[in-house]
Amino acid sequence: EDQVTQSPEALRLQEGESSSLNCSYTVSGLRGLFWYRQDPGKGPEFLFTLYSAGEEKEKERLKATLTKKESFLHITAPKPEDSATYLCAVQASGTYKYIFGTGTRLKVLA
Amino acid sequence: EAGVAQSPRYKIIEKRQSVAFWCNPISGHATLYWYQQILGQGPKLLIQFQNNGVVDDSQLPKDRFSAERLKGVDSTLKIQPAKLEDSAVYLCASSPALRRTGGAGQPQHFGDGTRLSIL
Repeated sequence: EDQVTQSPEALRLQEGESSSLNCSYTVSGLRGLFWYRQDPGKGPEFLFTLYSAGEEKEKERLKATLTKKESFLHITAPKPEDSATYLCAVQASGTYKYIFGTGTRLKVLA
Repeated sequence: EAGVAQSPRYKIIEKRQSVAFWCNPISGHATLYWYQQILGQGPKLLIQFQNNGVVDDSQLPKDRFSAERLKGVDSTLKIQPAKLEDSAVYLCASSPALRRTGGAGQPQHFGDGTRLSIL
């Protein structure tokens, strides 16, 4: 069964303290892995798509990487405005369905 | 580019009442999704349309939930009758048309959802 697991569930960082969020997945074949940011009361906002192992994408303080079993979202020198829930989703080959993890709630303290 | 529009933003009803949500996707996006997101969880797919045809409704509780996308653009999701466990945020998302074979996955673009509270 296709599955996505995110860890940790919650993370508190001091401003400037870099860290990584993990997304482990089990699918029969990967069509794409997606990272989203979700602020309270808002819908998920698209950040990155990764398609194959070894691929990396960057945007400001965020960098997403992909292996055959997991993806990491690295946050470098985070700021309080980076506080949000970060969601990971995968789409398996041969299906149109997107499977979401439960997210990591990130809080960055000033 | 205008984003995915949803209404209403909030709805409070009593159990056993009915409720409807509306979604207008990004212009040109053939694929539309309805998700249910319970507090502290990731979105769970309810139904997926490509144009006005249903692609996947395997997780839609069909005894109480229904959805339509008559002209391949706007969509409505209805719950009748509502139960307490239906309290959640209902998200609509859209993406470009799916490719049947191979092809890279396309990201979805979400609206801000409707927060439903059942009393």
